[in-house]
Amino acid sequence: EAGVTQSPTHLIKTRGQQATLRCSPISGHTSVYWYQQALGLGLQFLLWYDEGEERNRGNFPPRFSGRQFPNYSSELNVNALELEDSALYLCASSLGGTGGHQPQHFGDGTRLSIL
Amino acid sequence: GEDVEQSLFLSVREGDSSVINCTYTDSSSTYLYWYKQEPGAGLQLLTYIFSNMDMKQDQRLTVLLNKKDKHLSLRIADTQTGDSAIYFCAESHAGNNRKLIWGLGTSLAVNP
Repeated sequence: EAGVTQSPTHLIKTRGQQATLRCSPISGHTSVYWYQQALGLGLQFLLWYDEGEERNRGNFPPRFSGRQFPNYSSELNVNALELEDSALYLCASSLGGTGGHQPQHFGDGTRLSIL
Repeated sequence: GEDVEQSLFLSVREGDSSVINCTYTDSSSTYLYWYKQEPGAGLQLLTYIFSNMDMKQDQRLTVLLNKKDKHLSLRIADTQTGDSAIYFCAESHAGNNRKLIWGLGTSLAVNP
């Protein structure tokens, strides 16, 4: 069974540009999560999507946005890129529903570098 | 507030046991997780424990939870060089937010 897949593996952008990161969940999973892993800051929760809707959002500015498609894959968009957006962006998926506990399974991430 | 703390480094000899510790501040935590991250890779879920449990064992891994002291530990028996990685502790709360709060990770070095 394929795990969570993310693309691209690496992305290089310049300040002010826009970046789009993609994630495909494990088959059967309907919830997708996005995290930012910046050097020295640890993992920070960005977004949670379930059944196409945004369920929860972390403490990030509105230029971080995303969506979930009918096939449960997801995109993370970052507008007006800043140098401090350089990080590893991790996507996770889990079984769905909006209550209770579901273990999150991670992809290998997209390394976003801002020049 | 929400905070998860871990020591940053641990070095052990191959064949010894490793114990990685984690403390958390939020008494409403319901699930606590251990993830492993190898260089250049994503996070691998190792195990998790519900807050009403004291211990969970899974092959070489033993998780101990002291809810009174808000202390979680991961013991790896017979540590191998392939266990060298960063180990993250994370917590979540009951309810509808699914947001994991993470420690900064403990880098485990296994020396032959």
